Amino acid sequence: DQQVKQNSPSLSVQEGRISILNCDYTNSMFDYFLWYKKYPAEGPTFLISISSIKDKNEDGRFTVFLNKSAKHLSLHIVPSQPGDSAVYFCAASGGTSYGKLTFGQGTILTVHP
Amino acid sequence: GAVVSQHPSWVICKSGTSVKIECRSLDFQATTMFWYRQFPKQSLMLMATSNEGSKATYEQGVEKDKFLINHASLTLSTLTVTSAHPEDSSFYICSARELGNQETQYFGPGTRLLVL
Repeated sequence: DQQVKQNSPSLSVQEGRISILNCDYTNSMFDYFLWYKKYPAEGPTFLISISSIKDKNEDGRFTVFLNKSAKHLSLHIVPSQPGDSAVYFCAASGGTSYGKLTFGQGTILTVHP
Repeated sequence: GAVVSQHPSWVICKSGTSVKIECRSLDFQATTMFWYRQFPKQSLMLMATSNEGSKATYEQGVEKDKFLINHASLTLSTLTVTSAHPEDSSFYICSARELGNQETQYFGPGTRLLVL
C-alpha cells in the first residue's frame, strides 16, 4: 500500500528553468509534508516542509505547494542549477503514523547546463 | 546545525558475524531516532523507531532479534545486525528528530553493509 507516490521516476530540465516535482498521497490523516534531496550513497538532506494548515511555503529557490483537496504537493525549484541534480523524495507524517515519515519512491532530477 | 553522523560508512563482513552501526546527533539532542534501509533504486523503508531509555518499536516484518537497537543517550543510537547474511546487504540510514521539533527528521550519511 503505497501511501505516498511520486509518479515521475525522472525529470530533465535545462539550467535556469523551473523544475516541478510532484507528489500524491492517499492518507487524509497526513498533516505534515517534507521534501528531501539525496545523492547516491548518502543520507537524505532536508530541503523544505509544509504543514497542512498552509498551502505554500517558500525558502529561497524552493517553494512547496500543498493542495489538500487533491492530496497533492509539489516542489518548485527556480532557477534550476546543475547542482540540483539528485534524487528528490517527498515524505509525509501524521495521524497514526505521527512522527514517522512515509516516503515516496523518489524522482531523479537532472539539470542540464 | 542538525548534523547526524553514522559510523562506519562502509562495512564488509563474513556471513554469520554481527555488525554494529552507530548513529549520533552531533549538535542537538534527540529523544527519537529512526533506522531505515534502502535497497537499490527503491525508497527508504522504516525499520524501527528508537526511543531514548526505552525499547525500540519495530515495523511489521522487521525481526527485532536480528536488528538490535539500543538508544543509550540523547545523542546515540546503535543498530546491530546479528548473524548477518548476504540478504542483509543494504544501505542503512538513521535519522534523528530534535527535541522540541516533532516533525522534521535529519538524516545521517548512511552505512553501506556488504555481507559476503
